[in-house]
Amino acid sequence: GENVEQHPSTLSVQEGDSAVIKCTYSDSASNYFPWYKQELGKRPQLIIDIRSNVGEKKDQRIAVTLNKTAKHFSLHITETQPEDSAVYFCAAKRSRRALTFGSGTRLQVQP
Amino acid sequence: DVKVTQSSRYLVKRTGEKVFLECVQDMDHENMFWYRQDPGLGLRLIYFSYDVKMKEKGDIPEGYSVSREKKERFSLILESASTNQTSMYLCASSLLQAAGPYEQYFGPGTRLTVT
Repeated sequence: GENVEQHPSTLSVQEGDSAVIKCTYSDSASNYFPWYKQELGKRPQLIIDIRSNVGEKKDQRIAVTLNKTAKHFSLHITETQPEDSAVYFCAAKRSRRALTFGSGTRLQVQP
Repeated sequence: DVKVTQSSRYLVKRTGEKVFLECVQDMDHENMFWYRQDPGLGLRLIYFSYDVKMKEKGDIPEGYSVSREKKERFSLILESASTNQTSMYLCASSLLQAAGPYEQYFGPGTRLTVT
């Protein structure tokens, strides 16, 4: 089955700096890669996703890049703000229906 | 507005008890999922269902079963609760579309403690 590894497990940045979270996946057939954000005490919510036929996608301060050859994808957050502090999960779509999630990255933005 | 609800936010049960966790979605989604969330382990899939009475095992189905008698409701059952099942349980739902969108909508979670 699919295996998704996520690094780092924790990340602390100064407000205004950029943050990068990286994930690798094992199943070359995976074709959809979402990122979820979970604020403290809240449910995970989708913030951005990318399909395997696209190399990069941006949405304001967040972007995701995908390297299918190397089987890795990354989340980039620019100009970080305190409200970006949360746990971020990457995932890969392993079948017609199910996702496999990474272990999560706790991002802390220091004001 | 999309809505996924879970029957309890907090639950305390004793070892050996049978535990039912319920999830309801009002979006007419075909897919429903149960995950458990533990620190450092992310979200691990227990079971999912893509239609009424249909289910598939996820990565960690041992000790759990599920029931989906109606499209909007998906229940997770711990047949005989054990302390290693103490965790946060998250339900999610999504559309069944070959071309997407694939977004999963999560419930608020149930924090289960087994003593």
